[in-house]
Amino acid sequence: NAGVTQTPKFRILKIGQSMTLQCAQDMNHNYMYWYRQDPGMGLKLIYYSVGAGITDKGEVPNGYNVSRSTTEDFPLRLELAAPSQTSVYFCASSYSQTPGSGNTIYFGEGSWLTVV
Amino acid sequence: QKEVEQNSGPLSVPEGAIASLNCTYSDRGSQSFFWYRQYSGKSPELIMFIYSNGDKEDGRFTAQLNKASQYVSLLIRDSQPSDSATYLCAVHSTGSARQLTFGSGTQLTVLP
Repeated sequence: NAGVTQTPKFRILKIGQSMTLQCAQDMNHNYMYWYRQDPGMGLKLIYYSVGAGITDKGEVPNGYNVSRSTTEDFPLRLELAAPSQTSVYFCASSYSQTPGSGNTIYFGEGSWLTVV
Repeated sequence: QKEVEQNSGPLSVPEGAIASLNCTYSDRGSQSFFWYRQYSGKSPELIMFIYSNGDKEDGRFTAQLNKASQYVSLLIRDSQPSDSATYLCAVHSTGSARQLTFGSGTQLTVLP
């Protein structure tokens, strides 16, 4: 059972470059999320999706874009990379909106991004 | 802005002792509370969740919730070196489709 798969695991970008972080889940979850985690900090929600074709902004959406064309995939696009986007990015998914009671959030292994 | 506050630590306890981790939250509408464990370089994993005031026990872990004081805690009994990790408190408010708000985490070290 693969769960939530993120690629790439590590990436170095130059300022101004663009890239896409890929995320796929095989659990048929409706809800998917992108978080970023800066050193010594908690997770901040970038974007989330409640189903195919539906996305919405989280706490820190600036500089990012997402799409959800299928239930399985939720790529995160970084446009014009900036040093402030150096972080660890976690994709996650859950069956429904209400966490707990078995509908827990499953996290991918993370993608380490450095912008220089 | 909804906030979740944790002592950043580091918190050090000897092996076999009780580790106490604390979390406060600002949104009185919060309904669900979660503790995640995160090992260095790894993704968070859910340890426990709690909805109701009082204590909830799961093995060596006990979550405590006091909604009047907007306070949630995690106790780890018989702490083991393998418990050394960062513990993240997360809060979910009813009706919020934006899922969880995370604290910055408390780093716990259990000394052999």
